[in-house]
Amino acid sequence: QSALTQPASVSGSPGQSITISCTGTSSDVGFYNHVSWYQQHPGKVPKVVIYAVSKRPSGVSDRFSGSKSDNTASLTISGLQAEDEADYYCSSYTTGTTWVFGGGTKLTVL
Amino acid sequence: EVQLVESGGGSVQPGGSLRLSCAASGFTFSAYSMNWVRQAPGKGLEWISYIDSSSSRIYYADSVKGRFTISRDNAKNSLYLQMNSLRDEDMAVYYCVRDWAYAFDYWGQGTLVTVSS
Repeated sequence: QSALTQPASVSGSPGQSITISCTGTSSDVGFYNHVSWYQQHPGKVPKVVIYAVSKRPSGVSDRFSGSKSDNTASLTISGLQAEDEADYYCSSYTTGTTWVFGGGTKLTVL
Repeated sequence: EVQLVESGGGSVQPGGSLRLSCAASGFTFSAYSMNWVRQAPGKGLEWISYIDSSSSRIYYADSVKGRFTISRDNAKNSLYLQMNSLRDEDMAVYYCVRDWAYAFDYWGQGTLVTVSS
């Protein structure tokens, strides 16, 4: 099972919006609406920020939003804040009854 | 408060074995599917195994299939991962993770497994 493809890094200034892409195949991202996104600060445990493509868990800021088109999912963070600087990972359930993660994207807030 | 506490990590030689445990509290453990996810030092996340609430459905990543065994004891609110034939590439922090809507909602703090001769 190959990892999902994410950009290694993205950056933005406070107040701006950024989007992180996550490209899979017709056997994972394109087949199910079971895409989730995780935020991980250095030395910390991952935290889910989006599940089921676009749903936000309770307590997660509405500045985080998710979407999907064909085999590519996207995470958008609007109104960028310093605290958003972290690594972000996408994940998808697959037709092989496994889960696959993306390689991770380092978000830098300039 | 949901808590997942892993234990059992440590240093082992290539080819050796370890058994990881995860003690769950703060939720009805027997009602949830569980997973193990690992993260090699400085690397990304890798899902490695899933077990449903009744141990009826068990899945593994290809990278650990045939070497690792996931299990659970609902009476003890515990999840386990038996790791055999360990390789250098198995060195990682191993997280016990609760399954929720095909996502991972609660993570333990992780336990470090070091494989080195």
